Amino acid sequence: EVQLVESGGGLVQPGGSLRLSCAASGFTFSSYEMNWVRQAPGKGLEWVSYISSSGSTIYYADSVKGRFTISRDNAKNSLYLQMNSLRAEDTAVYYCAREARVGAGGFDIWGQGTMVTVSS
Amino acid sequence: VIWMTQSPSLLSASTGDRVTISCRMSQGISSYLAWYQQKPGKAPELLIYAASTLQSGVPSRFSGSGSGTDFTLTISCLQSEDFATYYCQQYYSFPWTFGQGTKVEIK
Repeated sequence: EVQLVESGGGLVQPGGSLRLSCAASGFTFSSYEMNWVRQAPGKGLEWVSYISSSGSTIYYADSVKGRFTISRDNAKNSLYLQMNSLRAEDTAVYYCAREARVGAGGFDIWGQGTMVTVSS
Repeated sequence: VIWMTQSPSLLSASTGDRVTISCRMSQGISSYLAWYQQKPGKAPELLIYAASTLQSGVPSRFSGSGSGTDFTLTISCLQSEDFATYYCQQYYSFPWTFGQGTKVEIK
């Protein structure tokens, strides 16, 4: 079964750090581009970051640039999001999402999400 | 940044209705548009990509149309399981952006 499972969320104080992980299974992880998308409580979806299949190309939303770092380990079938200098507005459910192959489009597989709460 | 205006934000409808949701871009994106359905407490699910191509396993009552700046998601005959929130998303250029969402509720 094709699956993404996030972990690492939790409660953190403003200014703190957290590292999210996303474990992939059921497909050739190294062949796919990956993303992080977040959703604040009661709000819409916000794209956070993208990483190419090899890890050589990376993009960030302006709201997290300089604070968050996306990475991947293809040998471990894992995607990561290192989050530093966290703010209250970073409170959200964080989803990892697979980009569909070339010729298709959109995010075709999503994890179940992991909640990050930034509060003192 | 490509800005997206999705409307309406709330749509009240009955089972069996035909409903349409609009997504307008601040600049042309060809057909690089996807639609998602999200139910409470769940991750979004891809419905349509390339503006009009149905994702595998998605019922044929869902359809998408448009290109350039104006796009539409249509549900031809609303079913009980379709009451959810719908989002459009452009993947023409970074940063990827989502519409604000349309909640389809029971009238």
